[in-house]
Amino acid sequence: QVQLVQSGAEVKKPGASVKVSCKASGYTFTSYTIHWVRQAPGQRLEWMGWINAGDGDAKYSPKFQGRVTITRDTSASTAYMEVSSLRSEDTAVYHCAREGRYGEYADYWGQGTLVTVSS
Amino acid sequence: EIVMTQSPATLSVSPGERATLSCRASQSVRSNLAWYQQKRGQAPRLLIYGASTRATGIPARFSGSGSGTEFTLTISSLQSEDFAVYYCQQYNDWPYTFGQGTKLEIK
Repeated sequence: QVQLVQSGAEVKKPGASVKVSCKASGYTFTSYTIHWVRQAPGQRLEWMGWINAGDGDAKYSPKFQGRVTITRDTSASTAYMEVSSLRSEDTAVYHCAREGRYGEYADYWGQGTLVTVSS
Repeated sequence: EIVMTQSPATLSVSPGERATLSCRASQSVRSNLAWYQQKRGQAPRLLIYGASTRATGIPARFSGSGSGTEFTLTISSLQSEDFAVYYCQQYNDWPYTFGQGTKLEIK
């Protein structure tokens, strides 16, 4: 069965960086795009960006362009999302999700990784 | 960026009754719309894609309709496990965007 398993919770200071991993199993990793979505407390879900796991092409929401980097390691069937220059507003649960077969919706989700930014 | 607006913010319905949730897009998204269910402490779960196609394993009591800017999610006979927050998401234009959610609570 398809599974996306994310790395554990992180606590970071403002200005630091965080890198979250998302290990895929149960399907051919390089055949699907992986998306990253975050949910800050009391806020709506935000789509951050995605990576084509096959060719490594990545695209970012304008809000996160320049501060977020999404990569993947095909040998490990793992995608990564790094956020730099963290600020308190980046405190959120970060999810990876697999793109659906028929469009850019998310059919399988990781369990989420809580990133807390606090001095 | 396309703004998705859901209504109502909270919907109180009794088990066994029908629930109708609405989602409006600030511009046409054609049929590129998905619905998700999220329970506290869990990741969202895909219910509907393509505005009206149920995802794998989703019960037939969930149905989606609409196109363009107006969409509806209907749950025909509410079960206890259906009380959760529901989000719509457009994937017609980048960046993809979500509505603010509708909380479905027990009346």
